[in-house]
Amino acid sequence: DTAVSQTPKYLVTQMGNDKSIKCEQNLGHDTMYWYKQDSKKFLKIMFSYNNKELIINETVPNRFSPKSPDKAHLNLHINSLELGDSAVYFCASSQPTGGAGAFFGQGTRLTVV
Amino acid sequence: GNSVTQMEGPVTLSEEAFLTINCTYTATGYPSLFWYVQYPGEGLQLLLKATKADDKGSNKGFEATYRKETTSFHLEKGSVQVSDSAVYFCALRINSGGSNYKLTFGKGTLLTVNP
Repeated sequence: DTAVSQTPKYLVTQMGNDKSIKCEQNLGHDTMYWYKQDSKKFLKIMFSYNNKELIINETVPNRFSPKSPDKAHLNLHINSLELGDSAVYFCASSQPTGGAGAFFGQGTRLTVV
Repeated sequence: GNSVTQMEGPVTLSEEAFLTINCTYTATGYPSLFWYVQYPGEGLQLLLKATKADDKGSNKGFEATYRKETTSFHLEKGSVQVSDSAVYFCALRINSGGSNYKLTFGKGTLLTVNP
């Protein structure tokens, strides 16, 4: 069973469109994250939720709106897609303790054309 | 703020060579330290971790020791294999407050092991 699963794995779309990426974890973790990985492999946190509550929003454009219907799900909706949004987006989950490592999904490669 | 600095890659080694990937950090507070590995086309996997000074994390032949005096967490392996080819990320997480909810990553080091 996949611990952190995100869909779709690949997403190709035109500029200006709106798209969503879904994420689910079956680990019973309280904390979930979205990270963006650019073409140079640099990972930057976008959002962090704990028990459905937004904890961290790292100056992400408001075109990006996370939604957490329950603590096992954290979806990412992106409005008015731009070329610069092309990247790999990773969902992750962990327990909210400093020593806990995070478990990552397989990533969604978003290409905006 | 909190940050992680890794040695620049790419690193290219022959099979059975010794590997070191340097990682240093700056942190406000007491961090836990992690190494993650990303194989081509996959997500990140936790490789090893250490939660306090002088702890040694180890897994799959890889080791790293939490050195508070030098603020370092260097990754080592005595004999690399072709299957170790991947991108390696050093990361930290602060053990208190809102920063519990954030892993800060280094820029990653691409390792290629040739047969």
